[in-house]
Amino acid sequence: DAGVTQSPTHLIKTRGQQVTLRCSPKSGHDTVSWYQQALGQGPQFIFQYYEEEERQRGNFPDRFSGHQFPNYSSELNVNALLLGDSALYLCASSPGGPHEQYFGPGTRLTVT
Amino acid sequence: AQKITQTQPGMFVQEKEAVTLDCTYDTSDQSYGLFWYKQPSSGEMIFLIYQGSYDEQNATEGRYSLNFQKARKSANLVISASQLGDSAMYFCAMMTGGFKTIFGAGTRLFVKA
Repeated sequence: DAGVTQSPTHLIKTRGQQVTLRCSPKSGHDTVSWYQQALGQGPQFIFQYYEEEERQRGNFPDRFSGHQFPNYSSELNVNALLLGDSALYLCASSPGGPHEQYFGPGTRLTVT
Repeated sequence: AQKITQTQPGMFVQEKEAVTLDCTYDTSDQSYGLFWYKQPSSGEMIFLIYQGSYDEQNATEGRYSLNFQKARKSANLVISASQLGDSAMYFCAMMTGGFKTIFGAGTRLFVKA
């Protein structure tokens, strides 16, 4: 049983560019959440997707957007990249509700 | 405001000894869940243990136990018989409203041989 997978593993972008990160949830999980983890800090909740809809959003600007597909996989899009967007982006899946989340290995984004 | 506080930036423990990692939380919600995750240097977050706000018994998972004191709003993680592989960052987290999870700043644990 494959766990949560994310791609790519690492990514280097230039300020102002756009980036798309991808996540496939654990089998049987229909809920996907995205987190941003800056170096030396705890993860910050970006948003959560369920039934292809954004269910809740954290304190992130509209430059951060997402999508969930019918197979429950998800994408995180970030437009107009800033240096401060450099971080580890973690995807987590769960079977919905107040359950433990299973995290992927993350995508490390560097903005130069 | 909902908040998780971990006041120990770093902790040292001797191999085979027990260690307690502190976590306090703040929420006005009656229903919430508390989690502990381990993050090795590889970066992946590993789920360790869960405690529901209505659970009367402290959660245990192998060598991990959660010391839940609801009145004090604390959810400390106890690791028994520490192993070298336990060296990692540990994050306390809270889920409220069933959706959003907030994390503390983390505690780095160093296990000495």
